[in-house]
Order: sequence, then C-alpha cells, then structure tokens
Amino acid sequence: GAGVSQTPSNKVTEKGKYVELRCDPISGHTALYWYRQSLGQGPEFLIYFQGTGAADDSGLPNDRFFAVRPEGSVSTLKIQRTERGDSAVYLCASSPGRGDDGYTFGSGTRLTVV
Amino acid sequence: AQSVAQPEDQVNVAEGNPLTVKCTYSVSGNPYLFWYVQYPNRGLQFLLKYITGDNLVKGSYGFEAEFNKSQTSFHLKKPSALVSDSALYFCAVISGYSTLTFGKGTMLLVSP
Repeated sequence: GAGVSQTPSNKVTEKGKYVELRCDPISGHTALYWYRQSLGQGPEFLIYFQGTGAADDSGLPNDRFFAVRPEGSVSTLKIQRTERGDSAVYLCASSPGRGDDGYTFGSGTRLTVV
Repeated sequence: AQSVAQPEDQVNVAEGNPLTVKCTYSVSGNPYLFWYVQYPNRGLQFLLKYITGDNLVKGSYGFEAEFNKSQTSFHLKKPSALVSDSALYFCAVISGYSTLTFGKGTMLLVSP
C-alpha cells in the first residue's frame, strides 16, 4: 500500500478483555515496529520484526503483550487481560531495511480500556 | 543505552519570527538523528534526518536542523514560523543495530 495502515483507528474495551490491533506495512518493507504512546509522552518501543521473526521484543511490558507477523507483512499486536493502564495510542511503523533512514508511521490505534 | 532529551515542554513564538526547538542526545556510537512532527489525532510525520555529511540538514516545510557533535545536539529551526507549524515535535536517535528512541516531545505554539 501507499502508507502504513492501522486498524481499528479507535478501540474501546472493558478491563480484562482481549484485543488485537492490526498493522499493514508499506509493501516490500521488511522491518516492522510497534510503539506505544501515552498521553504527554514520546513513543516507546515495544517490538521490532525483521521479516517474520521478532528481532527485538525487549520493549514488551509483560507477558500479556504478544505480537506476530506470520507472513512477513501484516502484523498483529495482541493484548490479553487488558488493564486500564494499557490505554494509549499504539503506533506501527515500517522501514525498507534496518531503519537507518527512518521509519514511516501509521496513524495509530487509540486503545481505551474502561 | 541511547536517549534523547527535549528540555522544553512547550515553545511559544509569534508568526513570522524564527523558531528553535531543542534536542540533545546520548549514544555510544555514531548517531542517526531525526525530527518528526505530530498533528492532533495523526501519526508521526517525518521532517528531516541527519545521517552523515553536512551538519546543517534541510527538510520539509522549510525546517532545518543543525548537528553539533561536540554539544551532542540536534536543534530544529525555521527562519519564519507559520501558525500552521503549531504541532508536537519529536526528536529521535538511532545508533548501531538499535531501534528509534524518541524524546518526550515539544509542543510548538505559533501565535498570529
């Protein structure tokens, strides 16, 4: 696609529920990144994929968070047993290589846990 | 570990005046530096980058930034601010095989 697409744009869920956030990167971009942006903060790194494999998942806050990229294109960020503190904007980005030239970001998914 | 500091939460400037948004960084190797802009309810948009070469980098919408290795700074500048420049600005750094690390952001408010 022309840009990085994230769906849904907004998600409201109840505490304790499971959610999935989807990212469709720019066609041909091998690297894909997930970030989380809380109100008044800069984006914080969650996980980085190179192809199908997670090259760095050191930013995932705990084992309730998991992400996959089974075919090396679309990625899904999965959050189990959501908590109110998970409320944030989840940003996805992609880059053609290692990312030294910068990333292209999607518009984000605003997750609200009530 | 790498880090970015944006010391100002907010910068206020009158339209037509020059603007500066400050950024300093800390990395163990050679830095690749970036500025992104975020408008309300929008994703991050790339403005400019420094990889190597000329210390003065020119980017989108008339913005520029100066890399200063001795001061580990990468301040964003524009000679004449527009009201439409009002947005949230993020400085970011990458080094080696790391991923982008962002500052906390600076809100730029340009008054008419």
